[in-house]
Amino acid sequence: GAGVSQSPSNKVTEKGKDVELRCDPISGHTALYWYRQSLGQGLEFLIYFQGNSAPDKSGLPSDRFSAERTGGSVSTLTIQRTQQEDSAVYLCASSLAGGPQETQYFGPGTRLLVL
Amino acid sequence: AQSVTQLGSHVSVSEGALVLLRCNYSSSVPPYLFWYVQYPNQGLQLLLKYTSAATLVKGINGFEAEFKKSETSFHLTKPSAHMSDAAEYFCAVSDYSTDKLIFGTGTRLQVFP
Repeated sequence: GAGVSQSPSNKVTEKGKDVELRCDPISGHTALYWYRQSLGQGLEFLIYFQGNSAPDKSGLPSDRFSAERTGGSVSTLTIQRTQQEDSAVYLCASSLAGGPQETQYFGPGTRLLVL
Repeated sequence: AQSVTQLGSHVSVSEGALVLLRCNYSSSVPPYLFWYVQYPNQGLQLLLKYTSAATLVKGINGFEAEFKKSETSFHLTKPSAHMSDAAEYFCAVSDYSTDKLIFGTGTRLQVFP
């Protein structure tokens, strides 16, 4: 079946602009995660959605970052007033039911470059 | 707090040689441990995971890992490296205090003919 998809695959933007990154999880997966992969910080957790529960936003680096998940499926990560340090690969993952032992399936990522 | 340490940011082996990628974890409660592989310009793919069943876990592509509680380790091995194994490998930990994955810094594996 179809895996996790993300769009766009690449995004170049100017400092100060807003960007939206999209994630389509595997159909039927109730849990959705966003991670960021950068040279300086490695792979770091950003935010976690599980069903109708309030999202775990503990990994968001600043209030310029926000995410929503509509209808329990598609998620959008928004970065406002982008800065050069936001340049990274943003990875989305989904799992069937959430929980620490569940396998997270990752999408190919969105490579963001802020000029 | 959980953490993962991967010793060796780069490992080079000859084709056919043993692959050993090291991972040590820290967790105050029983951990769940994962190895993911990332090929260039791709997302992460699960190789194997430990979820408190058998301590020796077999994964895809001939990889396996052994959970050793006394050593807080979960090293990844493969008896015979193949050129197609060249990639970056990430060890990760989670537990019931959090559902998210905490990743190590990764080990880039190079395989020489």
